[in-house]
This record gives sequence, C-alpha cells and structure tokens, in this order.
Amino acid sequence: DAGITQSPRHKVTETGTPVTLRCHQTENHRYMYWYRQDPGHGLRLIHYSYGVKDTDKGEVSDGYSVSRSKTEDFLLTLESATSSQTSVYFCAISEERGNTEAFFGQGTRLTVV
Amino acid sequence: KNEVEQSPQNLTAQEGEFITINCSYSVGISALHWLQQHPGGGIVSLFMLSSGKKKHGRLIATINIQEKHSSLHITASHPRDSAVYICAGASNTGNQFYFGTGTSLTVIP
Repeated sequence: DAGITQSPRHKVTETGTPVTLRCHQTENHRYMYWYRQDPGHGLRLIHYSYGVKDTDKGEVSDGYSVSRSKTEDFLLTLESATSSQTSVYFCAISEERGNTEAFFGQGTRLTVV
Repeated sequence: KNEVEQSPQNLTAQEGEFITINCSYSVGISALHWLQQHPGGGIVSLFMLSSGKKKHGRLIATINIQEKHSSLHITASHPRDSAVYICAGASNTGNQFYFGTGTSLTVIP
C-alpha cells in the first residue's frame, strides 16, 4: 500500500470554527490532491498541489485554503466551517499528472454542526 | 452533464455471476482509472489503463479509445466484491481527474 495518511479520520466541529485536515505521504510524489465526496456528486476536486508551495484551485475551492510547505504534507483548511462542508474528504497523490497511478488516503469524515 | 458517466448506478448480483460496469467519457483523457471503495472505507486503485485490456485476478478492465468507453468486468463474483466502483479519467490538459458517480455493487451469497 502507498504511504498516505490522513488525519484526523473523524471530526465534529461547530459552524464558524476553523478546521485543518492533514495529508501526509511517504512516497515523495509530486502531486497531491484534496477531494470531497458527497452523495450524488462523486469526488470533486477542492485544491491540488504540483510541488512545494505550488497549489491551484479545483472546481469547489470556495471556503477552503491549502498549504504545502514540504513535499510530504498537504494541509486543507476550512477557515470558517459551514454545514455545507460536512462531507468525506479524501487526499490523493500521484507521481506525475495524468498517465500515472493515483493513490488515495482513507478519508476524513467531517461533520459541521 | 458529467464528463464521466457510469452505468448502472446500482447493481445486485448472485454470487458467481459475471458482472459488467460501464464507463463513458466525453473529455480528452490520458488514462482511465478504476477505483474500488468498500462501505465506510478508503479508495483503492484497481486499474489504470490508456489502451487495450488489463487483468488482475477475477477483474478485467478494457478501454476503447475511439468510442471513449471503458468496462470493468468481474468474473465469478463473490460477496467480498460488494463495493462502490468508480471510474475516473485523468485529464490530459490539466492536473485533475474526472470522476464518475460510482456503481454500487452488492453480491448476494
């Protein structure tokens, strides 16, 4: 199994509070992604990173920010959590873009009450 | 309209049956991935293919580039195959994947 770990695995937080999810990899892969998974929508890209300090927005980036200060860690921050951000969040990594295998973390179930 | 469409959305089969899940895409991709997700679990990559056919145990994945279509076949299905199967196209113009909404498979003993 690819070395990719998400933390925490489960979190309940209150509306308006900041939340940070962490994705840690031991594969030294260049690309890292944050997705959210919601019923009826499948996986949707929030942000991705193509290197240290190099990040870009995905299709559902509003309300989220990311940081990648070192190759192995990609952080997703909800500045002020809302109930619409209740979801399961997956981190993924790939060595290169496109035609390479992607590996996924176990997911983080976030509930905003 | 989603860039990647899967069918069927839900599938129930008897143990031992041959199963086919279909995936069609409307965007340019460099590769197509098949993923498996067990209930409450993480996502596991089954196949990545850009042409032809791949086989791993009882699983077979095929892709027809001209028709923009891929299929995942499971031979001699087993209850442990019960999961959601997701196809995803790797964009050839950007750094992202286009995901189907998944096919929920239940195999009954």
